[in-house]
Amino acid sequence: DTGVSQDPRHKITKRGQNVTFRCDPISEHNRLYWYRQTLGQGPEFLTYFQNEAQLEKSRLLSDRFSAERPKGSFSTLEIQRTEQGDSAMYLCASSTRQGATQETQYFGPGTRLLVL
Amino acid sequence: DAKTTQPNSMESNEEEPVHLPCNHSTISGTDYIHWYRQLPSQGPEYVIHGLTSNVNNRMASLAIAEDRKSSTLILHRATLRDAAVYYCILRALSTGTASKLTFGTGTRLQVTL
Repeated sequence: DTGVSQDPRHKITKRGQNVTFRCDPISEHNRLYWYRQTLGQGPEFLTYFQNEAQLEKSRLLSDRFSAERPKGSFSTLEIQRTEQGDSAMYLCASSTRQGATQETQYFGPGTRLLVL
Repeated sequence: DAKTTQPNSMESNEEEPVHLPCNHSTISGTDYIHWYRQLPSQGPEYVIHGLTSNVNNRMASLAIAEDRKSSTLILHRATLRDAAVYYCILRALSTGTASKLTFGTGTRLQVTL
C-alpha cells in the first residue's frame, strides 16, 4: 500500500498524559499537513511542512502541541498534558508541490484520540 | 477565504444520479472549486476540481455556473459506496507557502437501495 499511513489508529489516554502520533506520507511527497476533526465537523488545519521545515501553524496549535518532520520524511505530532478537549480525529495528508490552487492532498485514515 | 454553503444532508436511491449543490457567492476570479469526500471512518479523498469550465473524471462531474457563484457535483449513478460527507472547498490563488484546505461541514449523502 503506497498511501498515507498513520499510527496508531486509536489512542485512549488519561488527562494529563502525553501522546505522540506518527504519519508516514506518500513517498517523495514533500508537503505534509496535520488536521484535526471533531465529531460532526469538517477537518481543521493545524500545521504544514514543506520537506523538514514547518512553515505554518494554526492558532489551534497551542503550546502543548508540537510537530516535527525530521529529514523531511515521516512526521510526528505530540500533545503534552492532554485535555478532554483534545479528543478528536487527527488526520495527516501529503502532497507534491503544484500550484496552490490545483494541489491534491492525500489523506491518511487518521488517529482517533480519546482523553478520559 | 471565500465561504461555501452546502445543504447538511441529501438522500438518493442507488443507481440514480445525485446533484450536490454548493453556493459560493463571494468567490474571487482566481479561486478554484475543489470537492473532497469523506467515507465513514476514513480520511477525506479528492473528488474533482475546476475553475470555470465543467469538468469530468472517472468519479464525478463538476458543473460550474456561468457567474461562478455556485457549482454542482454530479454523481451519475450513485452506489452504496458513495455514501459519504461531501465537501465543497475554494482554493485561493496564493503566492504563499501553505495551501491548506478549509473544510466546512459538508453535505452528508445517504444512498438507499
